[in-house]
Amino acid sequence: EVQLVQSGAEVKKPGESLKISCQGSGFSFSSYWIGWVRQMPGRGLEWVGIVYPGDSDSRYSPSFQGQVTISADKSISTAYLQWSSLKASDTGIYYCARHYGGAFDYWGQGSVVTVSS
Amino acid sequence: DIQLTQSPSTLSASVGDGVTITCRASHNITNWLAWYQQKPGKAPKLLIYKASSLQSGVPSRFSGSGSGTDFTLTISSLQPGDFATYYCQQYNNFAGTFGQGTKVDIK
Repeated sequence: EVQLVQSGAEVKKPGESLKISCQGSGFSFSSYWIGWVRQMPGRGLEWVGIVYPGDSDSRYSPSFQGQVTISADKSISTAYLQWSSLKASDTGIYYCARHYGGAFDYWGQGSVVTVSS
Repeated sequence: DIQLTQSPSTLSASVGDGVTITCRASHNITNWLAWYQQKPGKAPKLLIYKASSLQSGVPSRFSGSGSGTDFTLTISSLQPGDFATYYCQQYNNFAGTFGQGTKVDIK
């Protein structure tokens, strides 16, 4: 069974750093792109970026380029999304998902990130 | 960026109704379009990929069509579990975008 299990909820202050994780199982993690999707409170879905764990190649939406870093460690089947300096506008739910055929076919449960002073 | 515009933003319908949601892309995306269903407090669920391919396990009352810039999601006969928000999503040149969503609620 394909599963993506994400790290838990985080509460941070503006300016702090954060790294959230997404561990995959039930499939060949190195052979699929893994992506991240943001959903701000009460809003729609936003495509953040994707990473290929096989060679750590990462691609970003222009809206998120330079704002976040996506990485992966294929040895532990885990992808990451990180911020070096959080802003209040980073508050939201972040989903990881397996990317195949141009779509996200399996999703994690979501990680809630709250940034507030 | 390729922009996606969904219409309508909200749709009121009854159980048994047929409904259609449209998604228009700002540039030609051939058939790189997917549709998702999201219920409150839940992760999105993939329904359709490559414009018209039904994801495994998704009921056949869901169908997708279109190519280029104009796409549609059709639900042939709404069931109680179909009241949700639907999103289209495109993928082109290693980047993607979502439409703004269409909420299907009970009339």
